[in-house]
Amino acid sequence: GAVVSQHPSWVICKSGTSVKIECRSLDFQATTMFWYRQFPKQSLMLMATSNEGSKATYEQGVEKDKFLINHASLTLSTLTVTSAHPEDSSFYICSADSLINYGYTFGSGTRLTVV
Amino acid sequence: QKEVEQDPGPLSVPEGAIVSLNCTYSNSAFQYFMWYRQYSRKGPELLMYTYSSGNKEDGRFTAQVDKSSKYISLFIRDSQPSDSATYLCAMSVGGSEKLVFGKGTKLTVNP
Repeated sequence: GAVVSQHPSWVICKSGTSVKIECRSLDFQATTMFWYRQFPKQSLMLMATSNEGSKATYEQGVEKDKFLINHASLTLSTLTVTSAHPEDSSFYICSADSLINYGYTFGSGTRLTVV
Repeated sequence: QKEVEQDPGPLSVPEGAIVSLNCTYSNSAFQYFMWYRQYSRKGPELLMYTYSSGNKEDGRFTAQVDKSSKYISLFIRDSQPSDSATYLCAMSVGGSEKLVFGKGTKLTVNP
């Protein structure tokens, strides 16, 4: 149990376009999901906390207008990178608290490359 | 001073060795401590979870938390090549609060 599915696993887009990443909890309901960003050989940096039915809470320094988060249901949160630029290229990972297993369950991540 | 410090390694050991990984932290409010394993280009996988101080064992893995020293450890016995990955420590103040991660230690177990 406690599986988080993230899609797509990798995406290449042109500079200036927008990309949507989906994060689904498959066998549990997640009131709260988290979005992270990870650069090569770096740790996970929390970008925002996504709460079902309300606005996301962004960490300091994260542009909320650039990284749009929508948590429309208890099983789905989406991250949209708007007007993507090469510096947005990174590994994006979501996680959710299943309340079944202690700790958090992570998705498999999305590698975004902006060209 | 960062909230969580973790030596990034890399750490290379022979198969069968005992591996010791550790993290230090500065926030005394942390109560929940976790170790994750991350393979290249994958999301982290929860290995061990500990609340407050003490030891916890699961198969070849043992997690220790020393809150008085603000120090946590993960021991891997009889290490296997399949254990080669990056190991991340993480901690939080509350059970459903956001996690603060260490930088991760890259481990290679050589056959």
